[in-house]
Amino acid sequence: NAGVMQNPRHLVRRRGQEARLRCSPMKGHSHVYWYRQLPEEGLKFMVYLQKENIIDESGMPKERFSAEFPKEGPSILRIQQVVRGDSAAYFCASSPRQWGGTALNTEAFFGQGTRLTVV
Amino acid sequence: DQQVKQNSPSLSVQEGRISILNCDYTNSMFDYFLWYKKYPAEGPTFLISISSIKDKNEDGRFTVFLNKSAKHLSLHIVPSQPGDSAVYFCAASARRYIFGTGTRLKVLA
Repeated sequence: NAGVMQNPRHLVRRRGQEARLRCSPMKGHSHVYWYRQLPEEGLKFMVYLQKENIIDESGMPKERFSAEFPKEGPSILRIQQVVRGDSAAYFCASSPRQWGGTALNTEAFFGQGTRLTVV
Repeated sequence: DQQVKQNSPSLSVQEGRISILNCDYTNSMFDYFLWYKKYPAEGPTFLISISSIKDKNEDGRFTVFLNKSAKHLSLHIVPSQPGDSAVYFCAASARRYIFGTGTRLKVLA
């Protein structure tokens, strides 16, 4: 059972370009969470998706950022017109049930992350 | 507004001794707490958890203590091993997991 797969591992974009980050959850997991880690900071929650639905996007910037988790295929985090401040490590995590909130103890598994560098 | 704080960015401990990593939080609604470990160039991996109805949870060399009145939790690693050298994040949940900024632990051989 493969773990959470993220690709690419490293992504370099020029300012103004688009960045697409992919996350394939573990088999049997239908809940996906995206986190961002800026340099010298902790992991910041961005968005929580369940198959074909965005459940909570309260941590995602209102502009330029979007996420999806289609019925088939990986979850995609899309950043349009990237700026230098978007340079960070982006991690996704997957779980078989809701992670956090009133749910019982559920472990989420993280991918290795995509390190985005905007030049 | 940092609701989960790890005030020590780094910690060095001698092999075989105890490592104590601390975490403070501000939201009394948090009801579940986790510790994750992260090696360079890898994703965080789950280490241990504790519910707000408990004050201690133990798993092998790792023990997490929760002091609700002080809004403080700590992770004890005994004995510390060089392979424990990593960044440790605490996380707390009311609705979504909020992570601290991490503590880099270095265990010296």
